[in-house]
Amino acid sequence: DADVTQTPRNRITKTGKRIMLECSQTKGHDRMYWYRQDPGLGLQLIYYSFDVKDINKGEISDGYSVSRQAQAKFSLSLESAIPNQTALYFCATSHPPSDTQYFGPGTRLTVL
Amino acid sequence: EDQVTQSPEALRLQEGESSSLNCSYTVSGLRGLFWYRQDPGKGPEFLFTLYSAGEEKEKERLKATLTKKESFLHITAPKPEDSATYLCAVRPVNNDMRFGAGTRLTVKP
Repeated sequence: DADVTQTPRNRITKTGKRIMLECSQTKGHDRMYWYRQDPGLGLQLIYYSFDVKDINKGEISDGYSVSRQAQAKFSLSLESAIPNQTALYFCATSHPPSDTQYFGPGTRLTVL
Repeated sequence: EDQVTQSPEALRLQEGESSSLNCSYTVSGLRGLFWYRQDPGKGPEFLFTLYSAGEEKEKERLKATLTKKESFLHITAPKPEDSATYLCAVRPVNNDMRFGAGTRLTVKP
C-alpha cells in the first residue's frame, strides 16, 4: 500500500467551480505539504502544516486554502478555480528532525 | 534570495555513457540538499540528502556530491531504466524547501 495517497488522481473542472484535493498518509509524519508543478518550473510550495493546529502559507497561496483534518489528512481547496491553476498537484510529508519529504502520486487538475 | 538552478534542462545519453547533472544553489545558510527522481505521471522519489561540502552519497549507478555552491549527480554506465527527471532541492536555514526545475534524462539502448 502507498504511504501517501492523493484523490482524485485526475480532475477536469470548469472556471469558477470549487475543487477539493485530498491527501492521506500512513507514515505517521507530523508535517504535510502541498505543491504545484508546472512544465519547466520547479515544485512550488502552496501551503504546509507542521501539526493539526499549525497551518502556514507557502510562496503561492493566493487562490488556495487548506484544512488539516487529522495528523494523517491534509486537504487543498480551490475556492473558485481559474485556468492558470491547471497543473500537477503533489502532497508530501516529512517528520522532524528530518527535512526529507516523501511525495504522493499527484493529482492532474485541468481547469477549462 | 534562495535559488536553485539545474543544468542541463535535458540530457540524452547512450547506454553506458557516463555523465553528470549539475545543481547550482544560492542560500543564506544550507540545512540540506536533496536529490529526487521523478518518472512521468508519478511523484518525486527520494534519492539522497547531502548536508555539508565534501559529502558524497552513492546508490547503484548514482553518486551525489556537494560543494559550497553546487551539487553534482554523477551517473555511471547508465541504463535505459535510469531515464527520468532528476530534481534537486535545497532546504535553507530560514526558509522553505526550494526546488530546481529538473534535468530530464533519456538513456537510449
